[in-house]
Amino acid sequence: EAQVTQNPRYLITVTGKKLTVTCSQNMNHEYMSWYRQDPGLGLRQIYYSMNVEVTDKGDVPEGYKVSRKEKRNFPLILESPSPNQTSLYFCASSWGQGAPEAFFGQGTRLTVV
Amino acid sequence: GQQLNQSPQSMFIQEGEDVSMNCTSSSIFNTWLWYKQDPGEGPVLLIALYKAGELTSNGRLTAQFGITRKDSFLNISASIPSDVGIYFCAGPNQGGKLIFGQGTELSVKP
Repeated sequence: EAQVTQNPRYLITVTGKKLTVTCSQNMNHEYMSWYRQDPGLGLRQIYYSMNVEVTDKGDVPEGYKVSRKEKRNFPLILESPSPNQTSLYFCASSWGQGAPEAFFGQGTRLTVV
Repeated sequence: GQQLNQSPQSMFIQEGEDVSMNCTSSSIFNTWLWYKQDPGEGPVLLIALYKAGELTSNGRLTAQFGITRKDSFLNISASIPSDVGIYFCAGPNQGGKLIFGQGTELSVKP
């Protein structure tokens, strides 16, 4: 089954404690991205990757890092989480940057206290 | 940059009613997409529109690509409880990056 898998689904952490949210896709997609969803703001792109070892900032990259060492994986790293990073996070993949259909993971609800 | 504005932000309707929502932009889009997010899940593509004036249906859903290429509409006929969720419009901007509207949250009362 074609899917994008994120882990964990839920995470509560404390300010400053580094964390990683994993994302993996099994569709051999080249393009992967991370979004955060906040009430009234829709989905905003954090970072994206057009292929292995190629990553770039999205609209709200501050406080986040990503890596793309393998095609299937695209982890999101918060080196020093802060309460304003409390949000719902989605990983997505597609064939290419202009491809209309993006496949989304189920989301990671992060709370930073 | 290019932005998408959706309205209304939320809707509360009775089961069986028809629903209409729209998405507008100050700039032209060459593709319009409509996604639905079920509670607790990630968004899933419902309909993709590629040509100005295009009208496309997917079951009880119908979407239209506005003639000006600056807007799109989504209609749901005879709503049912499982229509509950957040509906997003989206489109690739001039750089090819997919951008999303703020979403329309739909609640359906049985």
